Amino acid sequence: NAGVMQNPRHLVRRRGQEARLRCSPMKGHSHVYWYRQLPEEGLKFMVYLQKENIIDESGMPKERFSAEFPKEGPSILRIQQVVRGDSAAYFCASSPPSTGSRTGELFFGEGSRLTVL
Amino acid sequence: GDSVTQMEGPVTLSEEAFLTINCTYTATGYPSLFWYVQYPGEGLQLLLKATKADDKGSNKGFEATYRKETTSFHLEKGSVQVSDSAVYFCALSDWGRGNKLVFGAGTILRVKS
Repeated sequence: NAGVMQNPRHLVRRRGQEARLRCSPMKGHSHVYWYRQLPEEGLKFMVYLQKENIIDESGMPKERFSAEFPKEGPSILRIQQVVRGDSAAYFCASSPPSTGSRTGELFFGEGSRLTVL
Repeated sequence: GDSVTQMEGPVTLSEEAFLTINCTYTATGYPSLFWYVQYPGEGLQLLLKATKADDKGSNKGFEATYRKETTSFHLEKGSVQVSDSAVYFCALSDWGRGNKLVFGAGTILRVKS
C-alpha cells in the first residue's frame, strides 16, 4: 500500500512565477492536510480538505495561495506570484474518513521543497 | 490559541545515553498528544501517542506520559542509538476544535557512536 505521494520533491521558481505542488493521499484516505515548514521552524497548518470541499483554510495566507482536492486526481497546492519568503518545505498528510480526525494520526508524505530565487 | 513548546536543540548524546526531550502544551480543550519523528530527507512518522490524561505512549523504546497537571508530554528513551538521530516533533490535536495538528518547533537529536 503506497504511502502519501508528493511531487515534485524539489521545485525551483523565480520570483513572480507560479508553483504547483501535488499530493496523492494513501489509498482509502479522503482527508488531506497541507502544512508548511519554514527553515528552523516547526510545521504550520495551512489547509484541510476533503474531496471537492475545503473544510478549514484558517492557516492559508489570504493572497496568492489556493488549494483544491478534486473528485478525481491529486490535491493541488497552488502558489501564485511566488516570493522569496515562500521558500519552504510543504508537507501533505492524509487520514482515513473517520478515525483520523478523532485520533489525530496523520500520514505524511516526504514533502516538496520549494526554492524561490 | 493552542500551542506546543519544545526544548531547543540540537541535543547531542553518545550512544546508549538516556534521552529526555521536554514538551509542554497549552490547550483549552482535551487534546490528544503525539510525538512525530522526521528522519533526514523524509516526511514525518508517528512515533507514539496518548489520548487522555495519564496515558503512556510507547514505541521503539521511546515513551511519553500525558501529564495533565503539568501540561507536559516529555519524550524519553533509556538508551539511544545512532539510528535515532532525527528531528522530533511534539504535537497536539484537539479534535473538538477541528482536525488540525499543532506542532512544536522540533528538536534535533544527534547521537554519536
